Amino acid sequence: EVQLLESGGGLVQPGGSLRLSCAVSGFTFSSYAMNWVRQAPGKGLEWVSDISGSGGSTYYADSVKGRFTISRDNSKNTLYLQMNSLRAEDTALYYCAKVRSILERLSGVFDIWGQGTMVTVSS
Amino acid sequence: QSALTQPASVSGSPGQSITISCTGTSSDVGGYNYVSWYQQHPGKAPKLLIYDVINRPSGVSNRFSGSKSGNTASLTISGLQAEDEADYYCNSYTSNSTPVFGGGTKLTVL
Repeated sequence: EVQLLESGGGLVQPGGSLRLSCAVSGFTFSSYAMNWVRQAPGKGLEWVSDISGSGGSTYYADSVKGRFTISRDNSKNTLYLQMNSLRAEDTALYYCAKVRSILERLSGVFDIWGQGTMVTVSS
Repeated sequence: QSALTQPASVSGSPGQSITISCTGTSSDVGGYNYVSWYQQHPGKAPKLLIYDVINRPSGVSNRFSGSKSGNTASLTISGLQAEDEADYYCNSYTSNSTPVFGGGTKLTVL
């Protein structure tokens, strides 16, 4: 069974840091690009970041560029999101999501989603 | 990249058909056939309904269909059922080489 399991969320003060993890099982992790998508409380979905299957190529939304870093460890089947200089507007449920096709990276087509991990930035 | 424009809410009665629009620009919806749609029930993760404008993943009901004309994509749900009540989001690839979501539409089944 394909499964994505996020962890690492919590309460952090403005300016602080947090690292999210997404443990993957059920498919060949290294073959697929992976993404982070977030959803602020009561709000819509916002794409955050993408990383290629090898980890050699990354993309970020302008809202997080320079503050967040996406990475992956294919030997551990795990995706990460290092979040620095956190702001109140980063408060959201963070989902990891698998790209549906090897050929459709950055197309916004995500066929498998985790259940999300909540990040709250507040003093 | 600005979010794609969706109506905040739509409604319909059981058995009816409804359409949700998703309006962008020639730099996203109008420029590429990479429009996808997601359904999200309260407290749940989004579920892929439509990809590449018109394609349904295996297991998704054929009551859901997608289309596109110019800079506007549409999701049509036919034979509306109570379980279809949810939030719906469109997504498109953009000229920035990144995807962008729509603001979301709340579907109410009357």
